[in-house]
Amino acid sequence: AQKVTQAQTEISVVEKEDVTLDCVYETRDTTYYLFWYKQPPSGELVFLIRRNSFDEQNEISGRYSWNFQKSTSSFNFTITASQVVDSAVYFCALSEAEAAGNKLTFGGGTRVLVKP
Amino acid sequence: DAGVIQSPRHEVTEMGQEVTLRCKPISGHDYLFWYRQTMMRGLELLIYFNNNVPIDDSGMPEDRFSAKMPNASFSTLKIQPSEPRDSAVYFCASNQGHNTEAFFGQGTRLTVV
Repeated sequence: AQKVTQAQTEISVVEKEDVTLDCVYETRDTTYYLFWYKQPPSGELVFLIRRNSFDEQNEISGRYSWNFQKSTSSFNFTITASQVVDSAVYFCALSEAEAAGNKLTFGGGTRVLVKP
Repeated sequence: DAGVIQSPRHEVTEMGQEVTLRCKPISGHDYLFWYRQTMMRGLELLIYFNNNVPIDDSGMPEDRFSAKMPNASFSTLKIQPSEPRDSAVYFCASNQGHNTEAFFGQGTRLTVV
């Protein structure tokens, strides 16, 4: 069965600090997809990134970067030079291509609080 | 595109009443999902449709919950009768194709008193 673990429940940083969110996943499939979503205080879920299991290249988008390591089943997310607007709950999610159709299994989320 | 549209945004109802949540997916998307978010259980999938056909409803908690998708642009999630433990935020999401990113609506916050 698929499982996503976000061990950090809450992280508090001061503005301009970097913050890294950990995500560890479990799956039996060889083909799968990993996602990160952001849930700001307003409550909606905002898509950030999708990565397939065959693409281990790290990705950078502005102040956001992602580190995918199949060897450790991890897909970590770093916010560089954090800003108050980054305060939100961040969810890592997994979708198995073969066994479980198209549905997402979410981790428990990490709440990030960026203080000015 | 306006994105996934859910209504109502907030619903307060008394225990035992019927509740209907509505969702309009993004035009052209062929998958539609209903998720529920609670403090205790986090985000969990209730049911999803592909081309208006229910594919997996194993997450539906019990017979009090039902979902329909009569056409490609509309879906409902009904709870009858509602109970206080159904209080949660219910999200609808849609995507196009297999294993692509899902786009979520703003959610319906349901409170059953």
